[in-house]
Amino acid sequence: AQTIHQWPVAEIKAVGSPLSLGCTIKGKSSPNLYWYWQATGGTLQQLFYSITVGQVESVVQLNLSASRPKDDQFILSTEKLLLSHSGFYLCAWSLRGDTEVFFGKGTRLTVV
Amino acid sequence: GQQVQQSPASLVLQEGENAELQCNFSTSLNSMQWFYQRPGGSLVSLFYNPSGTKHSGRLTSTTVIKERRSSLHISSSQTTDSGTYLCALRSSGSWQLIFGSGTQLTVMP
Repeated sequence: AQTIHQWPVAEIKAVGSPLSLGCTIKGKSSPNLYWYWQATGGTLQQLFYSITVGQVESVVQLNLSASRPKDDQFILSTEKLLLSHSGFYLCAWSLRGDTEVFFGKGTRLTVV
Repeated sequence: GQQVQQSPASLVLQEGENAELQCNFSTSLNSMQWFYQRPGGSLVSLFYNPSGTKHSGRLTSTTVIKERRSSLHISSSQTTDSGTYLCALRSSGSWQLIFGSGTQLTVMP
């Protein structure tokens, strides 16, 4: 059974349009959750992390926001996409008190 | 400055040759992970190795904390090993996993 599910798999969106990417973790109680982003040809960067419901910390400012509405759900969003938001987005989790990080399959976002 | 440096940036081998990929870091280490990144972008976890040596088939990871380096050794390379290899570290007291810029490995038949 898949532990981490990301949606959608891919999106093509217009500049200025809103975005919502999601991630659900099943079978793990109160995981730490993370969002990462990779521009085409670039290095993976951590964007946000969350250690508990309702609490999200920003690592890199990219005019994006993240929320954790439920223990097993992490949402990445923006009201207005920029061309520079294009890239590959990865959601990840780790167990409380553990440092090994596990990744979802990612979402490919193309902003046109 | 850059906290994680991977080398080489690219490597071309003949099938059957061995590969040594390096990751050097300038911060105190809490954990080190190695990944293979598929062409589509998803990550395959190879090793979680905060210290010491670990083996998995033809792959070996060695992390030496006091020397601030971690390596990934691929023995008897195969064409299917081609792709991008990433190291990522978490420093002590940080929630951030910092990735290296990767090594692009090409194994020729």
